[in-house]
Amino acid sequence: GENVEQHPSTLSVQEGDSAVIKCTYSDSASNYFPWYKQELGKRPQLIIDIRSNVGEKKDQRIAVTLNKTAKHFSLHITETQPEDSAVYFCAALRNTGGFKTIFGAGTRLFVKA
Amino acid sequence: NAGVTQTPKFQVLKTGQSMTLQCAQDMNHNSMYWYRQDPGMGLRLIYYSASEGTTDKGEVPNGYNVSRLNKREFSLRLESAAPSQTSVYFCASSVEGNYGYTFGSGTRLTVV
Repeated sequence: GENVEQHPSTLSVQEGDSAVIKCTYSDSASNYFPWYKQELGKRPQLIIDIRSNVGEKKDQRIAVTLNKTAKHFSLHITETQPEDSAVYFCAALRNTGGFKTIFGAGTRLFVKA
Repeated sequence: NAGVTQTPKFQVLKTGQSMTLQCAQDMNHNSMYWYRQDPGMGLRLIYYSASEGTTDKGEVPNGYNVSRLNKREFSLRLESAAPSQTSVYFCASSVEGNYGYTFGSGTRLTVV
């Protein structure tokens, strides 16, 4: 079935450094790729997304890249801050024949002050 | 504008008991979803409703049933709770099923 693999499972960086989280998906019909941030004890919240007709999208310190041929997409956070510490989930969705979003297992990001 | 509201926030059940988790959204979204979140496993789709009047199984539907009561409400029922259903349950909604989700605050369920 459909699968989204996410790496690494844990990432620790120094404040001010960059963080990169990578995901691979299996369903070639996927055409929408959101990223969610979940702080401890809270609900996941959408932070950025990208559609299959775009290769890169940026929003201030965060950016997402997509390689449809390789079925890879990545989240890049620059100039990390302690408040970026959270669990980040990638996901892939196809909107043909159903609306199922498949999530990766998550990356716990620690930003050390 | 409350977004997605889930009740209850916490629940402890004994094995074999039944309960219904409630979810309501006030954003006029067509699609609604139930996910469970377990440590190290991300979010797994239990059931979803692409539009009012339709429901479909997700990745892990066994042991659950759903009802899309109207456009606003989507409930999840556990008929006979099992310890394996101990989890955090999130309801979510989206526009047309095409876009990012708005999640509820979650229900932490423990089955003993």
